[in-house]
Amino acid sequence: GESVGLHLPTLSVQEGDNSIINCAYSNSASDYFIWYKQESGKGPQFIIDIRSNMDKRQGQRVTVLLNKTVKHLSLQIAATQPGDSAVYFCAENTGANSKLTFGKGITLSVRP
Amino acid sequence: DAGVIQSPRHEVTEMGQEVTLRCKPISGHDYLFWYRQTMMRGLELLIYFNNNVPIDDSGMPEDRFSAKMPNASFSTLKIQPSEPRDSAVYFCASSFRGGDTGELFFGEGSRLTVL
Repeated sequence: GESVGLHLPTLSVQEGDNSIINCAYSNSASDYFIWYKQESGKGPQFIIDIRSNMDKRQGQRVTVLLNKTVKHLSLQIAATQPGDSAVYFCAENTGANSKLTFGKGITLSVRP
Repeated sequence: DAGVIQSPRHEVTEMGQEVTLRCKPISGHDYLFWYRQTMMRGLELLIYFNNNVPIDDSGMPEDRFSAKMPNASFSTLKIQPSEPRDSAVYFCASSFRGGDTGELFFGEGSRLTVL
């Protein structure tokens, strides 16, 4: 079946550097994508979303890029801080219903 | 609002016992989702409700699992009988709109260990 997946299981970055977290999706019918952050012992928390009619969307210190040609989604975090250390998930929705399909997650570790 | 409230936060039980997980969604949200999280399978959607009505339960593993939403402020996920492979963190989430148009607000989860 089609699913959302991530390229790398862990990412380690230096505090202050920019982080890029990548996600590949295989369902061409997906038209809505969300990034979630999960801190230890907590539930996932919404970060930013993007629809398939957009290539880029910016939030506070975060940017999501969507490349529909290669079915690739990325989350960029500017000036990474220790508080950004968490597991990050991409999720997709086809628009046909309210089901969000989550990827396996990638751990971001910020070195002081 | 206090956010989505789940109970219990931790439960340890023996195989064969009944387990009931509870969820109070955010007031005013009309969608409620139950997810299960394991290292092997990640976050899996089990079932979701809209206006207290189950819409899609295709993710419920088997008949041992059941979920109810008797009113807009309460939902339960029941496992009977429980098995060791049910060990996971179970999350409840609610949203004002469905997953196709809005963000989901997750509770802190119920960590279930079945011995």
